[in-house]
Amino acid sequence: AQSVTQLDSQVPVFEEAPVELRCNYSSSVSVYLFWYVQYPNQGLQLLLKYLSGSTLVKGINGFEAEFNKSQTSFHLRKPSVHISDTAEYFCAVSRQGGSEKLVFGKGTKLTVNP
Amino acid sequence: EPEVTQTPSHQVTQMGQEVILRCVPISNHLYFYWYRQILGQKVEFLVSFYNNEISEKSEIFDDQFSVERPDGSNFTLKIRSTKLEDSAMYFCASEGQGFIGELFFGEGSRLTVL
Repeated sequence: AQSVTQLDSQVPVFEEAPVELRCNYSSSVSVYLFWYVQYPNQGLQLLLKYLSGSTLVKGINGFEAEFNKSQTSFHLRKPSVHISDTAEYFCAVSRQGGSEKLVFGKGTKLTVNP
Repeated sequence: EPEVTQTPSHQVTQMGQEVILRCVPISNHLYFYWYRQILGQKVEFLVSFYNNEISEKSEIFDDQFSVERPDGSNFTLKIRSTKLEDSAMYFCASEGQGFIGELFFGEGSRLTVL
């Protein structure tokens, strides 16, 4: 079975500061990795995904994440955040192979302050 | 932009009552999912549905739960006899063929069981 740990439940930052949201996973098989974002009163939306190839993955809204197999991590980063990035961010994992279910972490609430 | 729609947005029910949550997935998608999130906890997988049958279900998805796609557009989740612990936000999601892990989520249906 797969599991995901998001180490920070809340991350407050100031506008234009860099941010890193941490994610570690556990799995006995090869996996795909994802970050989803949920803005207030909306559904989850895919930010980026790692399937294979380059370990640095770029997503929407200037976010990127790096897959580190040895550390079983997939941390999300943005060099300069905006107020509009305030949202909840979910890391997720699925078994490789096809349309497999996603296993989510508990989420990290990012609050960007002016 | 195509989207997944869910109704109702909020339902309050008495323990023991039947509840049906409705979802209209994106029209050309083939894979359908229900997830739920109890307040403050992880987004949990309930069930996946493909080719008019359940492809995978979690331990949570017991005999009290059922899903169906009655008319080729709607995708419903029925809870036969609700319990207090069924109170949660329920998310429907759909996925297109070949778009691994790119789930499109609805805004959720909040179920409150009294």
